Amino acid sequence: GAVVSQHPSRVICKSGTSVKIECRSLDFQATTMFWYRQFPKQSLMLMATSNEGSKATYEQGVEKDKFLINHASLTLSTLTVTSAHPEDSSFYICSARPTSNDGYTFGSGTRLTVV
Amino acid sequence: DAKTTQPPSMDCAEGRAANLPCNHSTISGNEYVYWYRQIHSQGPQYIIHGLKNNETNEMASLIITEDRKSSTLILPHATLRDTAVYYCIVTNTGGFKTIFGAGTRLFVKA
Repeated sequence: GAVVSQHPSRVICKSGTSVKIECRSLDFQATTMFWYRQFPKQSLMLMATSNEGSKATYEQGVEKDKFLINHASLTLSTLTVTSAHPEDSSFYICSARPTSNDGYTFGSGTRLTVV
Repeated sequence: DAKTTQPPSMDCAEGRAANLPCNHSTISGNEYVYWYRQIHSQGPQYIIHGLKNNETNEMASLIITEDRKSSTLILPHATLRDTAVYYCIVTNTGGFKTIFGAGTRLFVKA
């Protein structure tokens, strides 16, 4: 089946630094990928839609200048958390699918801890 | 996209069938029912989806009522590894946004 690889799985960074998370579709091309954030004991919250070759579309309340998304190729989208603060500590997950007839495949997630 | 209603939690004995209900009374004609699950600290996993006919795959069966206002996900022989949060999502294939509700936390007990 379709595979989405997410890296790193865990990252600890200092407050004020930036962190980049990668999401790759390994065996299919994805013109669209999605980024989610999940806080403990809560459901996934959609942050943004990553579009290959164009600007990302952010959900209401998500700061586009803080969460930079780049989708430079058909198999790679990156999420950069800029000037991270402890409140940005969360589980970040990406997803994509091969065709509109498929269900979405999710990455294994990145647990970000800002200290 | 139509909203869904699921019970917050359910228990199931290991080896028995787990039947997870979902209400989606405002579903429109071109919207599909998707099921995903999330095991603790992992990314969600796609299980199954359907439009109006019942569907079955190696993981589960999906039963959709004739009026399409509700559905049931069936795990025929639940194992301890099926303990997870199960999400029922209604969306059209072209709309592609997958919005997660609270889901049902299934506990499979030995």
